[in-house]
Amino acid sequence: ILNVEQSPQSLHVQEGDSTNFTCSFPSSNFYALHWYRWETAKSPEALFVMTLNGDEKKKGRISATLNTKEGYSYLYIKGSQPEDSATYLCAPTEGDKLIFGTGTRLQVFP
Amino acid sequence: KAGVTQTPRYLIKTRGQQVTLSCSPISGHRSVSWYQQTPGQGLQFLFEYFSETQRNKGNFPGRFSGRQFSNSRSEMNVSTLELGDSALYLCASSLLPTSGLDTQYFGPGTRLTVL
Repeated sequence: ILNVEQSPQSLHVQEGDSTNFTCSFPSSNFYALHWYRWETAKSPEALFVMTLNGDEKKKGRISATLNTKEGYSYLYIKGSQPEDSATYLCAPTEGDKLIFGTGTRLQVFP
Repeated sequence: KAGVTQTPRYLIKTRGQQVTLSCSPISGHRSVSWYQQTPGQGLQFLFEYFSETQRNKGNFPGRFSGRQFSNSRSEMNVSTLELGDSALYLCASSLLPTSGLDTQYFGPGTRLTVL
């Protein structure tokens, strides 16, 4: 089973700060990587599906990059808002299954 | 379009009992996957069903089983409950069998507590 690591485990930032976190995974046999956002008491919500080395995806203030050769993906949030508070999960694929990391828990204070 | 629904939302059982959880996918979705989340662990894959057939199974004991009906609704059963089965159980649906590229849409989960 893939070893997926996300760092940091948790992050506290002030409203307006920009932040980023990392997802690390084995680079061999890479196929795709998913990012999800999971707010407390809600369902995980898909953010991005990334496949190509150098891929960059953007959704509003959130963007992600992918480096398949070295086995990592970064998620960036520009100008964090309190509504960005959530756990951010990455999930590279192994075969046709998603293997989830334990997530980065982000709290944005007003 | 209605999202993925799961029932019940909360459940309390005692050791040795069995439990059945239900998941209704988004209309038109034929693939349903189940995940378990325990404190400190990422979402652990249990199994995936597509067109009433189990496509994939995670590394869980045989006490965990599932099935899918012709309307794509899925149930998950855990027999002989153990304290360690206390967890949040999530299901996710997608239009096609999971290939790694499809987005999975998650339900709100069922919180199972085993006493």
